[in-house]
Amino acid sequence: DIQMTQSPSTLSASVGDSVTIACRASQTVYNWLAWYQQKPGRPPKLLIYKASELQTGVPPRFSGSGSGTEFTLTVTSLQPDDFATYYCQQVHRSPFTFGQGTNLEIK
Amino acid sequence: QVQLVEAGGGVVQPGRSLRLLCAASGFSFRSYGMHWVRQAPGKGLEWVAGLSYDGRIENHADSVKGRFAISRDNVKNTLYLQMNSLRPEDTAVYYCARDPGGCGGDCFYFDLWGQGTLLTVSS
Repeated sequence: DIQMTQSPSTLSASVGDSVTIACRASQTVYNWLAWYQQKPGRPPKLLIYKASELQTGVPPRFSGSGSGTEFTLTVTSLQPDDFATYYCQQVHRSPFTFGQGTNLEIK
Repeated sequence: QVQLVEAGGGVVQPGRSLRLLCAASGFSFRSYGMHWVRQAPGKGLEWVAGLSYDGRIENHADSVKGRFAISRDNVKNTLYLQMNSLRPEDTAVYYCARDPGGCGGDCFYFDLWGQGTLLTVSS
């Protein structure tokens, strides 16, 4: 199975800051990577697919980059609504594994 | 309204069976691959199983292979997950999720999620 490792596990930031979350795959997934946002008690929400494509309706302050084994999700000008847990997911090969999550919290 | 609504969760004893269902509305269900994803309490996300739009291609995670079966009824616009030989480690919120397709087949990421149904496996 392809292992997905996110860093950091927890990230503290303030409204207006820019943050970057990293995701590493144990083997290449090319650009077959998605990012999700999840808030407590809610289902995940797709933010980014194919490593850098912004899902319809997602604000452009969210961006994704990377290919192969190294990926990043960047959120600029953090808004109060952005504090949540973020997951990466590889969709190159079954089983379609997720990272362990990054909890973005208010400093 | 485009939505997915799961049902069928509850408390079940280890070794027993249960069937989850996911009712789709507001979109052409028969045109999309569908998946189940679960989340144990306080834990991360785990993909469980997926099924192509026509029901011909299915995938299951190793953790459920041989115990869980995904299926669909494109007339009733419903996705199912038959779960047998349940274990305490199967305790989780189970989400159904839509595959947007267009990747030369299924994409295996998910653009529409239900609210989830909680399964608790405990004696």
